[in-house]
Amino acid sequence: NAGVMQNPRHLVRRRGQEARLRCSPMKGHSHVYWYRQLPEEGLKFMVYLQKENIIDESGMPKERFSAEFPKEGPSILRIQQVVRGDSAAYFCASSPPGGNTGELFFGEGSRLTVL
Amino acid sequence: GESVGLHLPTLSVQEGDNSIINCAYSNSASDYFIWYKQESGKGPQFIIDIRSNMDKRQGQRVTVLLNKTVKHLSLQIAATQPGDSAVYFCAEMRVSGGYQKVTFGTGTKLQVIP
Repeated sequence: NAGVMQNPRHLVRRRGQEARLRCSPMKGHSHVYWYRQLPEEGLKFMVYLQKENIIDESGMPKERFSAEFPKEGPSILRIQQVVRGDSAAYFCASSPPGGNTGELFFGEGSRLTVL
Repeated sequence: GESVGLHLPTLSVQEGDNSIINCAYSNSASDYFIWYKQESGKGPQFIIDIRSNMDKRQGQRVTVLLNKTVKHLSLQIAATQPGDSAVYFCAEMRVSGGYQKVTFGTGTKLQVIP
């Protein structure tokens, strides 16, 4: 059973370009979370999605950031007009329906570098 | 605001000794507390959780203690091994809007000295 798959693992963008990060949850998992981690810091919640629905985006910047989890295909975190401050590791996690103990299954992350 | 924070950023432990990683929290409404391990260049990995109405839970070589009076959480690792070297995060979970919202603390780096 494959784990949470994220790609690309590393992404380099110049200021003003767009970054698209993809996440395929574990098989059978319908809940997807995105977190951002700056170097030497903890993980900051960004957004929580279920299939075709954004449930909680309270941690996501209002501008330039968007997320989706379509009926078919992976979840996408999109960052438009990237700035240097967007450089970070972005982690996706999934959980099964009914999960209620705080156990999330994380991918290996996508490391974004903005030049 | 609500937060989960750690006392020490780095902990060095001799191989074979026991490790204790501490965490303070401020949200009394949490349903679960969780410990995650993150190895360099990898995603966090679940270690153990404890329900908020418990005070102790044991796993394989790990024990989590919860003291709700002083809002303190600790992770004890017995007979620490080199493979335990990683950053450890405490996290709290509360059900919000019908889903589990997990908030992470800053992290403690555990260095195991061979």
